[in-house]
Amino acid sequence: AQSVTQLDSQVPVFEEAPVELRCNYSSSVSVYLFWYVQYPNQGLQLLLKYLSGSTLVESINGFEAEFNKSQTSFHLRKPSVHISDTAEYFCAVSAWAGSYQLTFGKGTKLSVIP
Amino acid sequence: DGGITQSPKYLFRKEGQNVTLSCEQNLNHDAMYWYRQDPGQGLRLIYYSQIVNDFQKGDIAEGYSVSREKKESFPLTVTSAQKNPTAFYLCASQTTGNGYTFGSGTRLTVV
Repeated sequence: AQSVTQLDSQVPVFEEAPVELRCNYSSSVSVYLFWYVQYPNQGLQLLLKYLSGSTLVESINGFEAEFNKSQTSFHLRKPSVHISDTAEYFCAVSAWAGSYQLTFGKGTKLSVIP
Repeated sequence: DGGITQSPKYLFRKEGQNVTLSCEQNLNHDAMYWYRQDPGQGLRLIYYSQIVNDFQKGDIAEGYSVSREKKESFPLTVTSAQKNPTAFYLCASQTTGNGYTFGSGTRLTVV
């Protein structure tokens, strides 16, 4: 079985500052990794994913995450945040165990301060 | 456009009532999932289904029931046995080896 730990439940950051949201996972087999974003009273939207290939993956709105197998991490970064990035972010891992069901972290609330 | 639709967006339930939350997808995904979300507790899996006419309990199935008679539909019934049903409910679907596509959620409140 796999597990996901999001190390920070809340992250406040000033507008235009950089941010890193941390995610560590555990699994005995190869994994797929995902970051989802949730705005208030909405469902989760896929932000970016690592399935294979390049360990650095990017989203269309400036976020990036790097798969680090040795440290079992998939941290999410953005060099300069905007007010509109205020949301909750969920890291998730998937590995073959009869299905590719996702295991989610408990989420990190990012608050961007003007 | 393909997607996953949850209805209604808001639902109010009286004590002792059963209510059914709808989830429909036109993505041709085999797997479908129901999650419950409470503040500070992340996502908790209620039920999931990998194929039509088959489903399995998740971590918090007590007080809930589901059916999967069609590939496109996976309704969730919150029964009167669920003692604390007030929460945000999310439905998701998945194609093999990929991430989930989520619906926009249903907020259920007991009145």
